[in-house]
Amino acid sequence: GAVVSQHPSWVICKSGTSVKIECRSLDFQATTMFWYRQFPKQSLMLMATSNEGSKATYEQGVEKDKFLINHASLTLSTLTVTSAHPEDSSFYICSARGFRNANYGYTFGSGTRLTVV
Amino acid sequence: ELKVEQNPLFLSMQEGKNYTIYCNYSTTSDRLYWYRQDPGKSLESLFVLLSNGAVKQEGRLMASLDTKARLSTLHITAAVHDLSATYFCAVDPSFGNEKLTFGTGTRLTIIP
Repeated sequence: GAVVSQHPSWVICKSGTSVKIECRSLDFQATTMFWYRQFPKQSLMLMATSNEGSKATYEQGVEKDKFLINHASLTLSTLTVTSAHPEDSSFYICSARGFRNANYGYTFGSGTRLTVV
Repeated sequence: ELKVEQNPLFLSMQEGKNYTIYCNYSTTSDRLYWYRQDPGKSLESLFVLLSNGAVKQEGRLMASLDTKARLSTLHITAAVHDLSATYFCAVDPSFGNEKLTFGTGTRLTIIP
């Protein structure tokens, strides 16, 4: 089946530094990727949608200068949290759709737990 | 704005019992998804429901979709401890904008 690899699984960083999270579709071309954020005991909130080769579309209230998304190829999207602060600590999950899972399925990455200290 | 509500938010049930989780949504859609999330983990796809009246079953779980009522249900039959998890429904609105809106989630605990 369709597989999405997300790295790292967890990361601890100091306040003010930047962190990059990678999301790769391993066996299909991901035409669209989605980035979600999930706080403890809450649901998933969509942050942005990215299409290969074009600028990401951010949801209302998400700072595009803080959460940089790049979807440079059909198999890779990255989320960079810039100048991270403790309130950015969260579980970040990517999701991808593409030709292979075009049976209206979304494939989710394993998630990245970010802790900013 | 699309709203997706689940009921109940928390559910504690004994092994062997049956129960239903409800998912209501506020706008037209004929695509609804059910996911399972274990603590500290990402989402596991359970069901994809693509049309009115769709019913899918896998083991002790059965999901259905009523697009006219804007309601989906996830029925659990003869619950076992392994089903303890948080369950989310998610809606992909019509017109193909592809953005899933997730429900509030139902935290299910199965008591031996």
